Amino acid sequence: EPEVTQTPSHQVTQMGQEVILRCVPISNHLYFYWYRQILGQKVEFLVSFYNNEISEKSEIFDDQFSVERPDGSNFTLKIRSTKLEDSAMYFCASSLGGGFGTDTQYFGPGTRLTVL
Amino acid sequence: AQSVSQHNHHVILSEAASLELGCNYSYGGTVNLFWYVQYPGQHLQLLLKYFSGDPLVKGIKGFEAEFIKSKFSFNLRKPSVQWSDTAEYFCAVTPGNSGGYQKVTFGTGTKLQVIP
Repeated sequence: EPEVTQTPSHQVTQMGQEVILRCVPISNHLYFYWYRQILGQKVEFLVSFYNNEISEKSEIFDDQFSVERPDGSNFTLKIRSTKLEDSAMYFCASSLGGGFGTDTQYFGPGTRLTVL
Repeated sequence: AQSVSQHNHHVILSEAASLELGCNYSYGGTVNLFWYVQYPGQHLQLLLKYFSGDPLVKGIKGFEAEFIKSKFSFNLRKPSVQWSDTAEYFCAVTPGNSGGYQKVTFGTGTKLQVIP
């Protein structure tokens, strides 16, 4: 069964550094998402992406964040200048989209980001 | 905006006991409802989903959930749990009938511990 994959599984960085989290969505999916889960808190939506542009973003997704689909398979989340409060598990998800019955999102295993 | 409440944060059961995890949502329109499971060290996996039709939905591994519209609830049930069901369970909702991208709103999760 196709799966969403994410790399790296764990990223440690210094405050103020840039990080790029990578995701390979399921190959025929058209909609891509990032979520994050701060330790002990609920999974929160960050951004959705379709047709090479952001469809919706949450208030968390400020100017420090950006997403990109640099080629036909990868989907990346960049944090320009990391803060301590960015430490979280980041989940990528994808969905086929297009209407009823095809909107289930499939999640990757997550990247644990630790900002020191 | 939609919201999801899971009132049980941590549930401990013995093997063969019956399980019911509560989930209530808040949203003004039609919704799609999901239960995701996260086994220790693994990623979020879809357990079952409700889009429309029969309000009693059967999922994988013997789980089922019932959508009760009048109560805004989507409780998860299993008649007899196994040790391998130890995991964290997340109820989630997306707006219905929107097609395309949808941001998933998650509950806070319920940690289930099954004692052999």
